[in-house]
Parts: sequence; structure tokens; C-alpha cells
Amino acid sequence: DQQVKQNSPSLSVQEGRISILNCDYTNSMFDYFLWYKKYPAEGPTFLISISSIKDKNEDGRFTVFLNKSAKHLSLHIVPSQPGDSAVYFCAASSIQGAQKLVFGQGTRLTINP
Amino acid sequence: DGGITQSPKYLFRKEGQNVTLSCEQNLNHDAMYWYRQDPGQGLRLIYYSQIVNDFQKGDIAEGYSVSREKKESFPLTVTSAQKNPTAFYLCATRRSGRTYEQYFGPGTRLTVT
Repeated sequence: DQQVKQNSPSLSVQEGRISILNCDYTNSMFDYFLWYKKYPAEGPTFLISISSIKDKNEDGRFTVFLNKSAKHLSLHIVPSQPGDSAVYFCAASSIQGAQKLVFGQGTRLTINP
Repeated sequence: DGGITQSPKYLFRKEGQNVTLSCEQNLNHDAMYWYRQDPGQGLRLIYYSQIVNDFQKGDIAEGYSVSREKKESFPLTVTSAQKNPTAFYLCATRRSGRTYEQYFGPGTRLTVT
């Protein structure tokens, strides 16, 4: 049972435009959400997170939006740059789940010049 | 220089052999985690440890074993009972308390033939 889903395996965006990556979850106990970026053969790096008490968190070019009623979150990258090309994972966690992270399958983002 | 070390980067073993993957951290983080990543899939939790001398099974613990004798170290043994051991293995750490962010090491690519 996939509790966290990223339904788009890949996304291609032109440099300078907005990239929007989506993530859906099913477990209403999740109270914290994170986005990670991963290059091939490297460990994921933490990008940005959001608590369930908020609906938006912004850090530079990255903004995460949370819609609790729809159990949906999205990551916006503006403007997109070639270095943003990577696989992006969303993850969800809860205190009740011992703060373990549950990951989506990932979305491969390609930024085209 | 603070960080998480996983060695070696690439590891090759024959089927039927046990192999131990190293994970060392000097971040003074209490919690440590092991994940595996397979192509096209997200990260799946193998084992985790929240304090020294204590660890719990994750979602896919069968065929793996761990120990946590020191705060800095959390080695993972892939036993011959693991049916599909070839994968990319990632170690992560998390500070204690009400934190959710996990920080990942560079990973070890294990190939079993």
C-alpha cells in the first residue's frame, strides 16, 4: 500500500520557467512533509519541508504548498535552472510513526536550455 | 569536517556470501537509518536505530541485520537470505527531539552475482 505517491515519473521544463512537482499521500496521520533532491549514485539532499499546520513554506527559488484536505503537496521551483535537473522525492512523517520517513517513488526533472 | 561516511562506494560479492556495509557519522545525531533504493522506486526503510544498543525493523528487514554498539556507527549486514541484494544502499541520520529531517550519506552500490 503506497502511502506516498508521485504519479509523474518524469517532467521536462524549459530553463527559466516554473517547475511544479506533485505528491499525494493517503495517511492522515502524517504531520510533516519533506522534499529531497537526488543526483545519480549520490545520497539525497534535503531541500525544503513543511509542517501540517502550515500551507506554504518558501526558501529562495523553492516553495512547497500543502493542501491537507486534498492530501496533496507540491514543490515549485522558480526560475528553473540546469542544475535543478535531478530526481526529486517527497517524503512524509509523523510523530506517531516514530518520525520515520515514507518516500514517494520520485520524479525525474529535466531542465532544458 | 562533519558528515556521514559510507564505504566503499562500490561493492561486489558472490551470491551466498554475507557482506557488511559501513556507515559512520560525526554529526552527534542519535538516530540512524538504512534504506535501499531500486531503479524507479523510492527509498525503502530496512532498519533504524534511535539510540545506542537499540534498533527496530523497517519495512523490508528480511535478509538484513544491524548493530548499534556506538553512537557513531550503524553497520548493515546483507545476508545470503536476502533474495535480491543488488541495490543502492543509503544510510541516514537525524538529530534527537522533535525533528524530522534526515541527512544522507553518499551511498554504497552493492552488486551480487
